Amino acid sequence: AQSVTQPDIHITVSEGASLELRCNYSYGATPYLFWYVQSPGQGLQLLLKYFSGDTLVQGIKGFEAEFKRSQSSFNLRKPSVHWSDAAEYFCAVGAWGGGADGLTFGKGTHLIIQP
Amino acid sequence: EAQVTQNPRYLITVTGKKLTVTCSQNMNHEYMSWYRQDPGLGLRQIYYSMNVEVTDKGDVPEGYKVSRKEKRNFPLILESPSPNQTSLYFCASSSGGHTDTQYFGPGTRLTVL
Repeated sequence: AQSVTQPDIHITVSEGASLELRCNYSYGATPYLFWYVQSPGQGLQLLLKYFSGDTLVQGIKGFEAEFKRSQSSFNLRKPSVHWSDAAEYFCAVGAWGGGADGLTFGKGTHLIIQP
Repeated sequence: EAQVTQNPRYLITVTGKKLTVTCSQNMNHEYMSWYRQDPGLGLRQIYYSMNVEVTDKGDVPEGYKVSRKEKRNFPLILESPSPNQTSLYFCASSSGGHTDTQYFGPGTRLTVL
């Protein structure tokens, strides 16, 4: 079964500063990778996804992520954060098949934006 | 508007009293799933369904049941709720299964006393 690790439980960034949220995955084949964002009291919204091709993926709200197979990583980045980016961010890996090889989420990183 | 709806949004109940949380999607998606979200544990998949009458267990299915009699609906049933099922529950749907974009409902906050 695959797994996802988000090493940072909380991250605090100043408004206007750059951001990088880390995600490491474990999966035997080529993974399908996702980043979701959850604003307070809301459901999850897809930011971006990687299936194949270009390893640098652009998403909504100015976010991007880079797939690095050698490091089993899919880190999320944004060059300049806004106060509205404060939220919980989840990395996820999906696989064909069922049961434990379905869709697995990391435990999330809580992003705090300070003025 | 394309959406996933869940009802109720908030529910407080007592141990052992059967309950059902409904989930409905209007996007004609074949794949639907249920997750629970707990602090420090992220989202964990409870059950999923690839199509009508096709359901399978996720990572934490114990204590839950589901059914998929119609494409648009995927109710989550707790036959005998216990306090450890107090959680935030999300329903999601997609057109392409685990590897496709999941569209999430707004969540149901369940408290079992």
